[in-house]
Amino acid sequence: GAVVSQHPSRVICKSGTSVKIECRSLDFQATTMFWYRQFPKQSLMLMATSNEGSKATYEQGVEKDKFLINHASLTLSTLTVTSAHPEDSSFYICSAPHLGQAYEQYFGPGTRLTVT
Amino acid sequence: DQQVKQNSPSLSVQEGRISILNCDYTNSMFDYFLWYKKYPAEGPTFLISISSIKDKNEDGRFTVFLNKSAKHLSLHIVPSQPGDSAVYFCAASARRGNEKLTFGTGTRLTIIP
Repeated sequence: GAVVSQHPSRVICKSGTSVKIECRSLDFQATTMFWYRQFPKQSLMLMATSNEGSKATYEQGVEKDKFLINHASLTLSTLTVTSAHPEDSSFYICSAPHLGQAYEQYFGPGTRLTVT
Repeated sequence: DQQVKQNSPSLSVQEGRISILNCDYTNSMFDYFLWYKKYPAEGPTFLISISSIKDKNEDGRFTVFLNKSAKHLSLHIVPSQPGDSAVYFCAASARRGNEKLTFGTGTRLTIIP
């Protein structure tokens, strides 16, 4: 089946630093990718829609200057958490709709971010 | 405002029996519904989906039922197996396709051997 990867799988950083998370569709192209975050024992909340060749679309309440999204190619989207704070610690997951699979969304394995 | 709700945070079922997970939604614009299975520290895995033009979709041990008038869907797993133990999320979107998903709160299913 379709594969979506994320890198890194887990990262620990200090407050005030920036962290970049990569999301790749390994065997298909995706003009759109979605970024979610999940707090412990809670649902997945959509943060933004990443669009290849254009600006990302952010959900209400998500700071676009803090969570920078770049859809550099048809197989790669990156999420950069800038000036990270401990409250940004969370599980970040991306997904990509697969055109060849009727746009069924495939999810990456997630990235655990811990800000100290 | 939780547009997709799973009112049972947990469910325990004997192995071999039927597991029924429920999901309710409030947004009438939702037209396509999905169920995902998730293990801790992993991304969700797609299980089964249903379009609003149908009331039932079946795939192996998994069947999803949709009651559009009640804004309710359910996932039936039969027979339940120990490997089914996981957190199950229902999700909804305005249409099938390149569309963002709204997730429910999740139900932790435990299959008792």
